[in-house]
Amino acid sequence: DAGVTQSPTHLIKTRGQQVTLRCSPKSGHDTVSWYQQALGQGPQFIFQYYEEEERQRGNFPDRFSGHQFPNYSSELNVNALLLGDSALYLCASSLGLAGGETQYFGPGTRLLVL
Amino acid sequence: AQSVSQHNHHVILSEAASLELGCNYSYGGTVNLFWYVQYPGQHLQLLLKYFSGDPLVKGIKGFEAEFIKSKFSFNLRKPSVQWSDTAEYFCAVNTGRRALTFGSGTRLQVQP
Repeated sequence: DAGVTQSPTHLIKTRGQQVTLRCSPKSGHDTVSWYQQALGQGPQFIFQYYEEEERQRGNFPDRFSGHQFPNYSSELNVNALLLGDSALYLCASSLGLAGGETQYFGPGTRLLVL
Repeated sequence: AQSVSQHNHHVILSEAASLELGCNYSYGGTVNLFWYVQYPGQHLQLLLKYFSGDPLVKGIKGFEAEFIKSKFSFNLRKPSVQWSDTAEYFCAVNTGRRALTFGSGTRLQVQP
């Protein structure tokens, strides 16, 4: 049973560029959430997708957008990259939207913006 | 808005010592509470969670946590730590269908 997978594992971009990160949820899960984890900090919620729609959004600008596909996989897109976007981007999957459901995390994509 | 505070940023213990990591949250309603652990080079994984019932929750690897509603706390405990418990520990909370809010984490270093 595959867990949450993310690609790529590492990425280096320059300011102003755009990036796309990918996530495949754990088998049987239909909900994907994205988090940003800056160095030395806890993960911060970006947004959540369920039934191919963005259901919740954290305090992130519109430069951060996403998509969920019919097979429940998801993409995170970041436009006009800033130095401050350098972080570990985590994807988590769960079943449904109930708050008590456990979120399972992937290994993350480490993004460095130069 | 909900928030989570983890007051111990870095804890150093010797093997067999007892562990207690503090977690306080700010929200007056019904909450779901979680402790996640991140071992070196590994991804975040769930240690334990509370969403209803017995406020004393037991998790994996001998960890437990107690939900004290009057203190808005969900402290993590282990009676005797091992070197393999060296990791970063995150407390998280959500309410209803809202997303998780994480604390800033506590780095635990266990010396053999």
